[in-house]
Amino acid sequence: EAQVTQNPRYLITVTGKKLTVTCSQNMNHEYMSWYRQDPGLGLRQIYYSMNVEVTDKGDVPEGYKVSRKEKRNFPLILESPSPNQTSLYFCASSQGTSRPQHFGDGTRLSIL
Amino acid sequence: GENVEQHPSTLSVQEGDSAVIKCTYSDSASNYFPWYKQELGKRPQLIIDIRSNVGEKKDQRIAVTLNKTAKHFSLHITETQPEDSAVYFCAARGNFNKFYFGSGTKLNVKP
Repeated sequence: EAQVTQNPRYLITVTGKKLTVTCSQNMNHEYMSWYRQDPGLGLRQIYYSMNVEVTDKGDVPEGYKVSRKEKRNFPLILESPSPNQTSLYFCASSQGTSRPQHFGDGTRLSIL
Repeated sequence: GENVEQHPSTLSVQEGDSAVIKCTYSDSASNYFPWYKQELGKRPQLIIDIRSNVGEKKDQRIAVTLNKTAKHFSLHITETQPEDSAVYFCAARGNFNKFYFGSGTKLNVKP
């Protein structure tokens, strides 16, 4: 089954404790992206990747890092999480930038 | 960068009526405009998309229109059904392949 898999689905942690949210897709998609969703703000792009070893900042990259060492994986790293990063995060992938993005089920992060 | 504005933020219609959601964008270089539907607690899913070389696209009860001159695009849902109730997001692909989403429209279809 074609899918985008995120882990964990839920995480409660404390300020400053490094965490990684994994994202994996099995569709051989080139384009991958991370979004955060906050009430009233829609989805905001954090980082995206056009292909292996190619990553770029989205609209709200501060406090986040990503890597794309393999085509299927695109982890999101919060080196020193802060409460303002409490949000619902979605990973997405698509065959190209003019093709539909397939979203994962989301990761709800709470930073205390 | 790009700025996408979406209206209305909430929309309530009677079953069988039509619903229209409008979005404007600021960057004339934007050339791909998808629409996503997000049911409560679920992931966003694409319902229709349009590229800038096309003015209108239709898929059964759903249609999207694009006016490049005015920089706006709209989602039209006809013969609405209760299962159309969800939050709808418009988006635009701007420069450097970044995506910008509207703030969402919560559609409520009353039986």
